[in-house]
Amino acid sequence: DGGITQSPKYLFRKEGQNVTLSCEQNLNHDAMYWYRQDPGQGLRLIYYSQIVNDFQKGDIAEGYSVSREKKESFPLTVTSAQKNPTAFYLCASSTPLTNQETQYFGPGTRLLVL
Amino acid sequence: GESVGLHLPTLSVQEGDNSIINCAYSNSASDYFIWYKQESGKGPQFIIDIRSNMDKRQGQRVTVLLNKTVKHLSLQIAATQPGDSAVYFCAEKRQTSGSRLTFGEGTQLTVNP
Repeated sequence: DGGITQSPKYLFRKEGQNVTLSCEQNLNHDAMYWYRQDPGQGLRLIYYSQIVNDFQKGDIAEGYSVSREKKESFPLTVTSAQKNPTAFYLCASSTPLTNQETQYFGPGTRLLVL
Repeated sequence: GESVGLHLPTLSVQEGDNSIINCAYSNSASDYFIWYKQESGKGPQFIIDIRSNMDKRQGQRVTVLLNKTVKHLSLQIAATQPGDSAVYFCAEKRQTSGSRLTFGEGTQLTVNP
């Protein structure tokens, strides 16, 4: 099956701990994105990458880091500097070709703080 | 500031009725719009999209209308079913923002049997 996978489905973080959320896609998409969603709210962009080995900050990048070493993978690290990490994290991908800009989403990872 | 937003945060309809979900946007440079459906605990699912050179686009039981004059986007769902209950988001792509999308806050649609 083609699609976007995120793991784990649930993740627990202790105070002061860094945790990494996985996002993999086999759609051959160039661009990948990380969003944060708080209860009852919309999606806010954390980081995005339009091509391998390149990424840009979104609207709420503080306390997060990413890497894009492979086209199919875009892991997100929630660092200890992120003081309010409890949220639903969504990964998406798209091909930035004209007429194909739709972003497709993974199933999400829910991060909880112990 | 510029934003994509929704007129109503919640919408309750009877099964079989038609639903209309609205979205206002303020950036006249936006050239592409998408509607997503998000069920509880899941990732958003693409429903339908429309480009700024179109006024209307139809899919299976769904229609998107774009009124560029008043910067308004709507999603119409025909013969609403209980399975349509979800949060619906509109998103816009601005010409100056590359591939980034800007999302609205969402409307919770509840379908009553």
